[in-house]
Amino acid sequence: EIVLTQSPGTLSLSPGERATLSCRASQSVSSNYLAWYQQKPGQAPRLLIYGASSRATGIPDRFSGSGSGTDFTLTISRLEPEDFAVYYCQQYGTSPWTFGQGTKVEIK
Amino acid sequence: QVQLQESGPGLVKPSQTLSLTCTVSGGSISSGGHYWTWIRQYPGKGLEWIGNIYYSGTTSYNPSLKSRVTISLDMSKNQFSLKLSSLTAADTAVYYCARDAGWASYYFDHWGQGALVTVSS
Repeated sequence: EIVLTQSPGTLSLSPGERATLSCRASQSVSSNYLAWYQQKPGQAPRLLIYGASSRATGIPDRFSGSGSGTDFTLTISRLEPEDFAVYYCQQYGTSPWTFGQGTKVEIK
Repeated sequence: QVQLQESGPGLVKPSQTLSLTCTVSGGSISSGGHYWTWIRQYPGKGLEWIGNIYYSGTTSYNPSLKSRVTISLDMSKNQFSLKLSSLTAADTAVYYCARDAGWASYYFDHWGQGALVTVSS
């Protein structure tokens, strides 16, 4: 199965700053089938990005995804207070679909 | 707007079988196009895809769990269910039901709120 490694484990930033989260795959992700989710405490994950760079319905444009092959990035251009959460990547190019272990974005 | 809701016991004994049901509202499982999925999240945060089912009854399971998992449908109730056998403490997790985006896009755009299942005697 494809192992996804996210870094850093924790990102400490202030509101208004830029956040850059990394997701690296153990082998190439077919067709760049890579999604990103946001999860807040006590809630289910929420889809942000699919196909590596397409924003899901209703997602603000401060969220952007990029990358291909084995290296993918989620960027939050200017952090809003509601963006402090845990972020997960997921590959859906090769079964079994797998998730990264998450990056926590916390308030500095 | 499609909504999903998990239900089932929150505490199960080791070696027993976990049974969870997901009730779908705002859309019909029988309309096709989507795979109905179970995902779990361990206390340490990690997410694991368990398996899915199509309206035709076709299933797909994570090889790591395949010998212990059964996912089934009840279209008369617009529900799908998960059974996981031979439980151990390592199966303690929040179990989510979810719907994929459809037409072979296996990312998840609708999730239930999750059901915490603790395996303990």
